[in-house]
Amino acid sequence: EAGVAQSPRYKIIEKRQSVAFWCNPISGHATLYWYQQILGQGPKLLIQFQNNGVVDDSQLPKDRFSAERLKGVDSTLKIQPAKLEDSAVYLCASSLGLGRDKSYEQYFGPGTRLTVT
Amino acid sequence: SQQGEEDPQALSIQEGENATMNCSYKTSINNLQWYRQNSGRGLVHLILIRSNEREKHSGRLRVTLDTSKKSSSLLITASRAADTASYFCATGDLYNFNKFYFGSGTKLNVKP
Repeated sequence: EAGVAQSPRYKIIEKRQSVAFWCNPISGHATLYWYQQILGQGPKLLIQFQNNGVVDDSQLPKDRFSAERLKGVDSTLKIQPAKLEDSAVYLCASSLGLGRDKSYEQYFGPGTRLTVT
Repeated sequence: SQQGEEDPQALSIQEGENATMNCSYKTSINNLQWYRQNSGRGLVHLILIRSNEREKHSGRLRVTLDTSKKSSSLLITASRAADTASYFCATGDLYNFNKFYFGSGTKLNVKP
């Protein structure tokens, strides 16, 4: 089965510019996650979707970050305007999300490495 | 914060030795997972243990969970150079079963 796809893989922007990341989860996975991983740290959840609805966005800096999951499949994460501290790897993950053991397993994409200068 | 904390932060062993890393967390959980991250394959799920389980095995991996101490350990037996990676525990939120908090990871280096 195809894995989680993300693009672009790398992005370099200047502060105050905008950037968007795209994610295509594994087919049939109801739950989609966006994580931010700063170098040397573990992934930090930004937003969690169940189908096309937001379940948790408590750690999403909503003044500059936005995300959507149209039709419950693909998702985009946008940063506008970017700050230096946004430099990180942005990981997308998906899971079956059915409330049973195997469904908790998250499948991660390769990530997008963002550098803000 | 419910985020788990791994210990040690870094571990260096010889091939063939066993590696043990620990995870501590602060609030009650639904389940706990361990993930591995290396540059070649990204973040990969290793094993899940539910809050009512005490031990689980998968190949060379053994995970224990002590909910009274709010801690878990991951043992990798007969380590290989290919096990070199960062290992993260992810604790499952008690009320949002699909929400997980990742720790800061243990960086394991297995020397050939």
